[in-house]
Amino acid sequence: NAGVMQNPRHLVRRRGQEARLRCSPMKGHSHVYWYRQLPEEGLKFMVYLQKENIIDESGMPKERFSAEFPKEGPSILRIQQVVRGDSAAYFCASSPQLWQPQHFGDGTRLSIL
Amino acid sequence: DQQVKQNSPSLSVQEGRISILNCDYTNSMFDYFLWYKKYPAEGPTFLISISSIKDKNEDGRFTVFLNKSAKHLSLHIVPSQPGDSAVYFCAARITQGGSEKLVFGKGTKLTVNP
Repeated sequence: NAGVMQNPRHLVRRRGQEARLRCSPMKGHSHVYWYRQLPEEGLKFMVYLQKENIIDESGMPKERFSAEFPKEGPSILRIQQVVRGDSAAYFCASSPQLWQPQHFGDGTRLSIL
Repeated sequence: DQQVKQNSPSLSVQEGRISILNCDYTNSMFDYFLWYKKYPAEGPTFLISISSIKDKNEDGRFTVFLNKSAKHLSLHIVPSQPGDSAVYFCAARITQGGSEKLVFGKGTKLTVNP
């Protein structure tokens, strides 16, 4: 999974805290996607961003979750006031343009105490 | 609503034999299909893909077959090697209004025994 960098790899938060997950896409990739994987499940689409634009956030929970991909710096997935049900692996993927295969990072494993 | 289904949670084969992983889908809007391989504590790695207008794509030991009328695709690995042991995810792409997203199955865990 060389190229798509996610950090931190593991994140522990207490209920009510905020979680920030970062993703740096592969060099030359301007399309970023976030997916969430619950235990024993497949990955589920959350949001698709291009630089400074949210293209599709149809998979994002309506409250507490937000995402951005600023002109400079990594894409950020932000979860406010975390609850136990937010515990999951969060994967970021990138592609150079539409209709190209998405390449994934190694994920951030979020645990809520 | 499971639009992409991998009905076999696990599969075990002997080294050197063929592995066949299956995937069924329900949404006719899917235009592209991909297979990803995933090791524990790592992200999915892209393996092979096929457009909905084709029925076969081959890359080395990996071949993907698409039966559009049956809404079924399969991944063949031959010969299977112990290093192929991993979870394999089938994914289908939907492209709408300038956006695209992948819909994943729950995965099949392949074990290749030496």
